[in-house]
Amino acid sequence: AQTVTQSQPEMSVQEAETVTLSCTYDTSESDYYLFWYKQPPSRQMILVIRQEAYKQQNATENRFSVNFQKAAKSFSLKISDSQLGDAAMYFCAFGRRQGGSEKLVFGKGTKLTVNP
Amino acid sequence: DTAVSQTPKYLVTQMGNDKSIKCEQNLGHDTMYWYKQDSKKFLKIMFSYNNKELIINETVPNRFSPKSPDKAHLNLHINSLELGDSAVYFCASSQRYTVAQYFGPGTRLLVL
Repeated sequence: AQTVTQSQPEMSVQEAETVTLSCTYDTSESDYYLFWYKQPPSRQMILVIRQEAYKQQNATENRFSVNFQKAAKSFSLKISDSQLGDAAMYFCAFGRRQGGSEKLVFGKGTKLTVNP
Repeated sequence: DTAVSQTPKYLVTQMGNDKSIKCEQNLGHDTMYWYKQDSKKFLKIMFSYNNKELIINETVPNRFSPKSPDKAHLNLHINSLELGDSAVYFCASSQRYTVAQYFGPGTRLLVL
């Protein structure tokens, strides 16, 4: 069974600074996907960024980028130029196809505080 | 336009009651899911349906019965509610083989 570990229950960053959230996972699969989801106080789950395991190039979405280290099974999220609106819970998720659907396994989350 | 919608957003009920949560997606996706987020924010899959067919059932008590009348809708019916059912329930959808899932706003269920 896959497991996802987020070792930082809480992190804080100053506005305009850069912060990196850690995620490691355990799997014996070779074909999978990795995601970061953001959950602000509104509780809406928002997809931030995704990475296909077969791609070596790290995914980037505006101020959000990942450092995907497949051999180390590590998938960290870097947020550049942090903004107050980035404050939220961030969940790392492992995804793979199972039967006719896709199964996501989530980490326990990291609560990010952005200080003005 | 809301991509994945759930009703109701809040549900407060007594132990032993039966309740339903509805989910609709207008993204044209063919796979839908139910997740439960507990009080510690841990999010776990409960069910997935692909084109109205049950694919994933993650050892959820059979008091929980999902129903998919068509591929745009996936409802969750819960019988004999227990205190431990209090949680936020999220519906999600995805297009087959894309893996990325899009979530609804969640339904906060409180069982008293």
